[in-house]
Amino acid sequence: EIVLTQSPGTLSLSPGERATLSCRASQGVTSNYLAWYQQKPGQAPRLLIYGASSRASGIPDRFSGSGSGTDFTLTISRLEPEDFAVYYCQHYGSLWTFGQGTKVEIK
Amino acid sequence: EVQILESGGGLVQTGGSLRLSCGASGFTFSSHALTWVRQAPGKGLEWVSTVSAGGGVTHYADSVRGRFTISRDKSKNTVYLQMNNLRAEDTALYYCAKLSGSGGGFFDYWGQGTLVIVSS
Repeated sequence: EIVLTQSPGTLSLSPGERATLSCRASQGVTSNYLAWYQQKPGQAPRLLIYGASSRASGIPDRFSGSGSGTDFTLTISRLEPEDFAVYYCQHYGSLWTFGQGTKVEIK
Repeated sequence: EVQILESGGGLVQTGGSLRLSCGASGFTFSSHALTWVRQAPGKGLEWVSTVSAGGGVTHYADSVRGRFTISRDKSKNTVYLQMNNLRAEDTALYYCAKLSGSGGGFFDYWGQGTLVIVSS
């Protein structure tokens, strides 16, 4: 089973700043089967990125994903007020696992 | 428009049973796997179980294997999660989600969840 470790646990930034979130896998992720989700308080998670770097339908281009193997990154180029939320990475190979999440909060 | 609606949550005693339902519409139900993900209060996401598009293949997290059973009814466009021998640590908001593929993939649409509280 692949274990995903996200860092940092909390990221304190101001609107307009760049956010860089990390997701490290305990072993190589086959075919870049890595997704990112956003969850706001009281809401269900929303798919942002799949295949490590493909944006889901309707996701703004300020969100981008990169990486391969064991190291993956979600970047938000310029934080909008609605982007402050918790972000989870997920491996979706033979089974499914989530990272523990990174909270992006307003500084 | 894809819509996913969970129901069946509630308060149950330790050791008891509950059956969750997940109604889906807006896509070809028989072409996509469906899954349950839970979130304990104030905690992160935990994958629970997945059923393939045809219903013949199921997967479970170690934490629920042997106690939970996932199934689907194509005539009702509904997925079920039968939860037996419930424990306090099963208390969570249970989300149903659609997978991008027939047997696997990422979770592209989610419901709003149904709350399960297990108490002694």
